[in-house]
Parts: sequence; C-alpha cells; structure tokens
Amino acid sequence: EVQLLESGGGLVQSGGSLRLSCAASGFTFSNFAMSWVRQAPGKGLEWVSGISGGADSTYYAGSVKGRFTISRDNSKTTLYLHLSSLRAEDTAVYYCAKQLTSVVTDAFHIWGQGTMVTVSS
Amino acid sequence: EIVLTQSPGTLSLSPGERATLSCRASQSVSSNYLAWYQQKPGQAPRLLIYGASSRATGIPDRFSGSGSGTDFALTISRLEPEDFAVYYCQQYVSSLTFGGGTKVEIK
Repeated sequence: EVQLLESGGGLVQSGGSLRLSCAASGFTFSNFAMSWVRQAPGKGLEWVSGISGGADSTYYAGSVKGRFTISRDNSKTTLYLHLSSLRAEDTAVYYCAKQLTSVVTDAFHIWGQGTMVTVSS
Repeated sequence: EIVLTQSPGTLSLSPGERATLSCRASQSVSSNYLAWYQQKPGQAPRLLIYGASSRATGIPDRFSGSGSGTDFALTISRLEPEDFAVYYCQQYVSSLTFGGGTKVEIK
C-alpha cells in the first residue's frame, strides 16, 4: 500500500524556520516526482514546490521562491521542505503528494494526511 | 500563470441527482493536462480524474471528466451520499495551479 506520512509541523514565530518531512513507502520512490501542496485554514489548495524523481529539477511557486527549499533523499525514501523567513500567510496544512510520473508537471496521485504549520506574528 | 475559474461556487443537489461542475482556464490547457480532486472535511484531497477524462484507479464510473482547450467539466451521474464534498480542478501544463473549488452540498 502506498503511504505518505508528513511530520515536522508546529507553531513558529514570524521570521522563523521549520523543516517538514514526508516518509514514503509502498512504491519505488525514485521513479516519481513529489510535491508539497498547502491549504490555508478554510481556503483552497496551493501548490508550493516540486522535485523530479531523480532530484535533478526543482520548482517553486512565486510566493515561496527564495524562502523554501525542497529536497529528497531517495535512499531514505523521504521528501523534505525547509521553510524559512516564515510569514503569517504561510500558515496552512502542508500536504506531501506523489505525482503520476517522474515529472513535476503532472497530477497529484497520492496525498499524505498533512501537517499543520502555524506562523505567529 | 494559467488561472482556473470554477463554477458554481456551491451546488445544492439531492442524492440521485446529476451534478455538473465547470472549470474554465484563462488560456488553453494543451494536451488536456487537467485533473479533478475531491476533498471531504478534515481529509486530504483524492485524485478523481487526470488527462481531463481518465479516471484514477478505484474511482467509480459515475464520475466522468470532459472538455478541452479552456473549458472542462466534471460530471457525477447520480450523486451518492459520500459524494457531497468540495471539488477542485488543477492544470499541469504550465506550472501547477488549482481552481478555487466547488462545494457540492445536500439540498
């Protein structure tokens, strides 16, 4: 069974940093692109960042470029998102998502349950 | 950036009725790189449709996707009680963006 388990969320002050992790199992991790998608309380979905299966290509939404860094460790089948210079508007549930293929520009096939990040001002 | 506009914002229907949700793109979504997701309260989204009309694994055939270019639709042929949820469209031809969502509620 394909599973994605996020961790690392919590309460952080404005300007602070946090690292999210997503442990994957049940599939050949390195064969698939992965992304982070967030959802602010009561709002819609926003793609944040994606990384190709081989980790050779990374992509970011304009709202987080220069502040967030995505990475993956295929030997540990784990996806990461380092969040820095956090702002109140970054408060959201952050979902880890497996894409349909090895490229980031694809649909989100499987989603984790999410981890909440709250930025206090 | 391709902007996706979903309509209506809320659809009030009864179980057994047909639901048609619209997703309009600000520019052409080539190769029909459009997906639909279902999200229930407190849960992660679930992929329903990709490539505009291909059902994801395990999705009942009462869900169907159609359209091309800038106009797409998700149809639920007969609403079951578990289908009342929020639905999002998403394009993946140019970066990755979502529509604002359509809530399907019980009338």
